Amino acid sequence: GENVEQHPSTLSVQEGDSAVIKCTYSDSASNYFPWYKQELGKRPQLIIDIRSNVGEKKDQRIAVTLNKTAKHFSLHITETQPEDSAVYFCAASSPGNTPLVFGKGTRLSVIA
Amino acid sequence: GAGVSQSPSNKVTEKGKDVELRCDPISGHTALYWYRQSLGQGLEFLIYFQGNSAPDKSGLPSDRFSAERTGGSVSTLTIQRTQQEDSAVYLCASSEVNPYEQYFGPGTRLTVT
Repeated sequence: GENVEQHPSTLSVQEGDSAVIKCTYSDSASNYFPWYKQELGKRPQLIIDIRSNVGEKKDQRIAVTLNKTAKHFSLHITETQPEDSAVYFCAASSPGNTPLVFGKGTRLSVIA
Repeated sequence: GAGVSQSPSNKVTEKGKDVELRCDPISGHTALYWYRQSLGQGLEFLIYFQGNSAPDKSGLPSDRFSAERTGGSVSTLTIQRTQQEDSAVYLCASSEVNPYEQYFGPGTRLTVT
């Protein structure tokens, strides 16, 4: 089955700097890659997702890139703000009736 | 519209007791998922329901855990003979179909004393 590895587990950046979180997956057939943000004490929420037919997707300060050959995808946050501080989870899904497989999360701290 | 709801929000139980956790998914969502999240940890997949298909129970940690989904809507996660290591937040999520965006409920915080 699918296995998703996520790095780093913790990340601290200065406000205004960029943050990058990387994930690798094992199943070359996986075709859907979402990213969820979980603020302290709250539920996870989808912030961006990408499908395997595109290599990059942007939404304001957030972007995700996908390298199918290397089986890795990354989340890029530019001009970080304190409210970006949260735990971020990547996930991957294989075709068919299989659930998402989540990475173990990255705790991002943006220091003002 | 209404999001995913879960009840109770908090549950404290004594070791050895059974507990039932309830999830009401978003109306019309065919896929429903249960996850467990221990303090400061990731999302541990427990079970997944998709329409009328047999559920994917591959994440259930032991036979003390079971779940059902009645009428393709409400789901109940049951933990029998609770242990202290069962203490965690249990999150439910639903999506229109798998694997599109999952909408998470607020969770049930279970404490086993």
